[in-house]
Amino acid sequence: GGIITQTPKFLIGQEGQKLTLKCQQNFNHDTMYWYRQDSGKGLRLIYYSITENDLQKGDLSEGYDASREKKSSFSLTVTSAQKNEMAVFLCASSIQTSAETLYFGSGTRLTVL
Amino acid sequence: AQSVTQPDARVTVSEGASLQLRCKYSYSATPYLFWYVQYPRQGLQLLLKYYSGDPVVQGVNSFEAEFSKSNSSFHLQKASVHWSDSAVYFCALPTSSGQKLVFGQGTILKVYL
Repeated sequence: GGIITQTPKFLIGQEGQKLTLKCQQNFNHDTMYWYRQDSGKGLRLIYYSITENDLQKGDLSEGYDASREKKSSFSLTVTSAQKNEMAVFLCASSIQTSAETLYFGSGTRLTVL
Repeated sequence: AQSVTQPDARVTVSEGASLQLRCKYSYSATPYLFWYVQYPRQGLQLLLKYYSGDPVVQGVNSFEAEFSKSNSSFHLQKASVHWSDSAVYFCALPTSSGQKLVFGQGTILKVYL
């Protein structure tokens, strides 16, 4: 079986700071995703990538950049952290599409002071 | 546009009781449907999925779900819950392109002894 590793597990930043979250998968999956999870709001898609060097915007891409330089890794950058922002960022991968099973990492918990 | 609604934000049941978590969807055709579970401090894991055929699908840990086209529903059920079933449960469906997964808001299940 494979695994998705997200680093760091906890991220504390200052208002206005640029922050980067990393995700690695060893499933050899083509598609990777970044979701934001806020309490009571479910999961909202930020960015996804269907192959190396591909980037597709999700519903919540404003304020974020993403990078997929290798098939196995997908990073997300918060371009300017907002004060009092608190959320969990979940990385996931699937063989090709969302019609197949998504495999998730355990998340990065972001706190902005 | 596709959407998923989980009308119950929280459900509390006693151990050994039966369980139903509700999910309603909006989609123009017969969708693929998923239930995912998130245990504390973990990512999401697939419980079960419906593609076509028998409207009752079996999943892990004795969960099952029933697809109803007439009611636009995909309710999750379990005959007898265990305290370890306490988690957040998400219903989801892919967009028509298959490239994105749309999640409901999630239902927090608490099982007390």
